[in-house]
Amino acid sequence: DAGITQSPRHKVTETGTPVTLRCHQTENHRYMYWYRQDPGHGLRLIHYSYGVKDTDKGEVSDGYSVSRSKTEDFLLTLESATSSQTSVYFCAISVDRGTGANVLTFGAGSRLTVL
Amino acid sequence: GEDVEQSLFLSVREGDSSVINCTYTDSSSTYLYWYKQEPGAGLQLLTYIFSNMDMKQDQRLTVLLNKKDKHLSLRIADTQTGDSAIYFCASLGGGSYIPTFGRGTSLIVHP
Repeated sequence: DAGITQSPRHKVTETGTPVTLRCHQTENHRYMYWYRQDPGHGLRLIHYSYGVKDTDKGEVSDGYSVSRSKTEDFLLTLESATSSQTSVYFCAISVDRGTGANVLTFGAGSRLTVL
Repeated sequence: GEDVEQSLFLSVREGDSSVINCTYTDSSSTYLYWYKQEPGAGLQLLTYIFSNMDMKQDQRLTVLLNKKDKHLSLRIADTQTGDSAIYFCASLGGGSYIPTFGRGTSLIVHP
C-alpha cells in the first residue's frame, strides 16, 4: 500500500500568520494533490503536482502556494492565513492500478483552525 | 466544466439495501469511482468501474453504470451500522489525472 502521511494533523493559528502543511509519500508516485473539505462543498482541489517543481492550480488556489522540491514531499503554504481558510486539508497521491485506472490514495487529513 | 451530482443524505434501516445515486456530465469519463469517508478519516477507495462495463459486483457492493444517461449507482446489500459514512462519487476522463468529485452522500444507518 502507498504510504502517505500529513503533518501536522491539527493546527490552530491566528489570522495573518503563515502556515505550512506537509504531505509525505513513501513511494515515487508522480501526481500529488491538495484538497480542502468543507461542509456543503465536498472536496475542492487547491493545487496539484505532476513532478518535482511541476505544479498547477486547482479550482480554489487563491491564498495558497505549493512547492515540490522532492518527489516524496508536497508542501502547501498559506502565506497569511484567514478565517475562511479554516478547513480540513487532505493530501492525495495518484496510484496506477495497472488497469489504467488511476486511484487516489488520501492522507488522514490536517485540521486547520484560523482564529 | 465537468460536474458530478449526488444527493446529500440517505437514511436506511440496518439490514436493508442502500442505493446511492450519482450523475455526471463528462461524456469522456473513462473511469467512475466510489470512495468512502469514515468520520475523522480520509477518503478510501471502495470500488471503480470502467466506462465500457455496465455492472460490477464486489461482495455486498454492486455498481451499476448507465452510460447513456450518465448515471452511476452504488448498492450496498444488508447495510450495517459500520457502513455509516460519506460516500463520494468521482469521474475521470481518459488521459486525465484530475478526477471530478461529487459533494458526497451521508449514509446514516439506523439500528
